[in-house]
Amino acid sequence: GDSVTQMEGPVTLSEEAFLTINCTYTATGYPSLFWYVQYPGEGLQLLLKATKADDKGSNKGFEATYRKETTSFHLEKGSVQVSDSAVYFCALKAGSNYKLTFGKGTLLTVNP
Amino acid sequence: NAGVTQTPKFQVLKTGQSMTLQCAQDMNHEYMSWYRQDPGMGLRLIHYSVGAGITDQGEVPNGYNVSRSTTEDFPLRLLSAAPSQTSVYFCASSPRASGSSYNEQFFGPGTRLTVL
Repeated sequence: GDSVTQMEGPVTLSEEAFLTINCTYTATGYPSLFWYVQYPGEGLQLLLKATKADDKGSNKGFEATYRKETTSFHLEKGSVQVSDSAVYFCALKAGSNYKLTFGKGTLLTVNP
Repeated sequence: NAGVTQTPKFQVLKTGQSMTLQCAQDMNHEYMSWYRQDPGMGLRLIHYSVGAGITDQGEVPNGYNVSRSTTEDFPLRLLSAAPSQTSVYFCASSPRASGSSYNEQFFGPGTRLTVL
């Protein structure tokens, strides 16, 4: 079945450091890929998405590129801020299936 | 638009009690779903619905019932609460039910449930 494996946290960085959170997937067909973010005490929000190979999703300084050859969708940000502290979830939607499959989440803490 | 709303925000139950978690959306979305979030487990799908009158089971449906009598509402019922159901519950909705290359799911703020 479909699955998402993402880097286990927690990840702790200093402000302005470079961030990478790894995400790989297994799916039938050509899935759409997503990163969701959950700030403390809140629900999940879509951060960025990519619907086909080589697409780059970007938002709020975060980027992720859909790599079909390595079945990966790693999240990156060049300079993190304290306000980026949150849990990040990688997710996929396979084909015409409307269901999302989530990774386990990665807790990011950014210290001033 | 209020988006996706959930009530209550917090709830404590005793083992064996029943309750209903409410979820409503005002975006006329076809697809609605319930997830539970547990530490180290990510989000797991409990039940989902692709439209009024249509529901189906997700990964972890045991102990939960749902119904979808209107497009707007999708309540989740616990008939006899167990400590294993202690979790944070999220409702989500999406504007497309199928046949789309992607669908963004919009999440509610969550209900934190403790079963003693």
